Amino acid sequence: DIQMTQSPSSLSASIGDRVTITCRASQSITNYLNWYQQKPGNAPKLLISTASSLQHGVPSRFSGSGSGTDFTLTISSLQPADFATYYCQQSYSAPRTFGQGTKVEIK
Amino acid sequence: EVQLVESGGGLLKPGGSLRLSCAASGFTFSSYSMNWVRQAPGKGLEWVSYICSLSKTIYYADSVRGRFTVSRDNAQNSLYLQMNSLRDEDTAVYYCARESITGARDFDYWGQGTLVTVSS
Repeated sequence: DIQMTQSPSSLSASIGDRVTITCRASQSITNYLNWYQQKPGNAPKLLISTASSLQHGVPSRFSGSGSGTDFTLTISSLQPADFATYYCQQSYSAPRTFGQGTKVEIK
Repeated sequence: EVQLVESGGGLLKPGGSLRLSCAASGFTFSSYSMNWVRQAPGKGLEWVSYICSLSKTIYYADSVRGRFTVSRDNAQNSLYLQMNSLRDEDTAVYYCARESITGARDFDYWGQGTLVTVSS
């Protein structure tokens, strides 16, 4: 099975900060990497697919990059709505493993 | 509008069985692969099972293989998860999620989840 490792597991940031979350796969997943946002009490929401494709309706302050084993989710200017937990997921092979999550909190 | 609505969760004792359902609407259900994903209280997301559009390909997480069975009824636009021999560690919110048809295999729509609590 492919293991997904996110870092950090949590971070504190201020409104307007640039935030970067990394995700590493235990083997190459080419670009089959997706990012989800989850707010308390809600289902996850797909933000980015295939490493860098922003989903319709997702603000452009979100971006994704990477290929192979190393990937990054960047929020260019953190907004109040962005405080949430973010998960990466590989869709290269089954099982479709998730990272452990990164909780973004208010500083 | 795409909608996925899970049902069937509840409280039961270890060793018990439960069948979850996911009712789909707003899209051609028979064209999409579907997944179950769970989230234990305060924990992260764990993928549970996958079923392709025509039920020919099915996958399970190691943690549930042999105890859980995924199925679907395309005529009824419904996805199911039969859960047997339940354990305390199966306590979680269970989500059904649609796998996108683009080839990216991301989960583009999710239900609101149904809570399964296993406790003696």
